[in-house]
Amino acid sequence: GAVVSQHPSRVICKSGTSVKIECRSLDFQATTMFWYRQFPKQSLMLMATSNEGSKATYEQGVEKDKFLINHASLTLSTLTVTSAHPEDSSFYICSAGQGARKTQYFGPGTRLLVL
Amino acid sequence: GENVEQHPSTLSVQEGDSAVIKCTYSDSASNYFPWYKQELGKRPQLIIDIRSNVGEKKDQRIAVTLNKTAKHFSLHITETQPEDSAVYFCAASRQAGTALIFGKGTTLSVSS
Repeated sequence: GAVVSQHPSRVICKSGTSVKIECRSLDFQATTMFWYRQFPKQSLMLMATSNEGSKATYEQGVEKDKFLINHASLTLSTLTVTSAHPEDSSFYICSAGQGARKTQYFGPGTRLLVL
Repeated sequence: GENVEQHPSTLSVQEGDSAVIKCTYSDSASNYFPWYKQELGKRPQLIIDIRSNVGEKKDQRIAVTLNKTAKHFSLHITETQPEDSAVYFCAASRQAGTALIFGKGTTLSVSS
């Protein structure tokens, strides 16, 4: 299947700092990417839809000023967690649709730990 | 918005038995229903999907059925193997390529 990468795979940061997570589609272009958050032993919760060249669409309850999304090219979307707090510690996963059938492929995820 | 319910939350079977996981959805406009398998610490992997113009789809030991009238769909795994042990998520969206709303997941354990 199509390949979606994320960087970094793990990050530990201090409370109050900002962390940037990159999501790349490696062998296809993606005008739309999606960001999910997954807490331990829970489901994937949609945070926002990232649209190339325009503003992201955020789900209800997700603060757009805290979770900044930039989709500057057809192969890269970034999620910046600003002023991170321990409760932001989670597994962040992106996905992108590929092919005529728009099958969604997920990145390997980024595990964020805020101390 | 869409809400997806998934049952059971845990399922334990003996190797060789069948496993069935069921999901219901609330948005009648949903037309795309994928199933993902997630192993611990790894990304979700698509195992099968179905679109609303199809009632059933099969791929070797895995099958999915869809009842649009009742708004529910199910995953069937036959001849289970220990390597089938993982968390399985159902999801729904209005069309392929749009945001997925996931069920809460089913932890499947296959013992040999």
